[in-house]
Amino acid sequence: SQQGEEDPQALSIQEGENATMNCSYKTSINNLQWYRQNSGRGLVHLILIRSNEREKHSGRLRVTLDTSKKSSSLLITASRAADTASYFCAGYSGGGADGLTFGKGTHLIIQP
Amino acid sequence: ETGVTQSPTHLIKTRGQQVTLRCSSQSGHNTVSWYQQALGQGPQFIFQYYREEENGRGNFPPRFSGLQFPNYSSELNVNALELDDSALYLCASSLGRPRSYEQYFGPGTRLTVT
Repeated sequence: SQQGEEDPQALSIQEGENATMNCSYKTSINNLQWYRQNSGRGLVHLILIRSNEREKHSGRLRVTLDTSKKSSSLLITASRAADTASYFCAGYSGGGADGLTFGKGTHLIIQP
Repeated sequence: ETGVTQSPTHLIKTRGQQVTLRCSSQSGHNTVSWYQQALGQGPQFIFQYYREEENGRGNFPPRFSGLQFPNYSSELNVNALELDDSALYLCASSLGRPRSYEQYFGPGTRLTVT
């Protein structure tokens, strides 16, 4: 089952604009992560934000975490055509299994 | 490129057949996880192997099984294929204990069951 829900499901913006994607999750997860996937291929780890952090930056990426609302956001500034991809939030939700639980993803299209 | 490789890239099988997918983990990584990703969905955790032992399993039936070898490469076997098994199968390797936070994904094997 999917743990997280990304919003929006799809987003199309012009190159140079900022893109914001949101993730809400149902149960408590530890150390929320964001991944990027290009054209149905492998996922690339972008950034991890720990449960005791509220905001984290990495290059053009900014991630926020609100554990009280069980939500996170990913901001990509000054978008580029190469940022076109699907973006997923993921975390470890406990329950014994040791794999990541992913949301359904946001498909981002950057128009040149 | 993560250093994780998977084979084959694409595969077409018939319902009821069996399939084996292979994954070579990144050098030095001792944990391999397998995920199934249906079209338009996020990956779903199948199981994880840590030092050749199954370490955790998601909500998949026993016809999904796996192995991890001493060199930490891994296989995913699926018996009695069903149409719904058509998906992209991803493996991911990580370093250290289970729940090592960052996982390194391979490019995936796209399985089509007809």
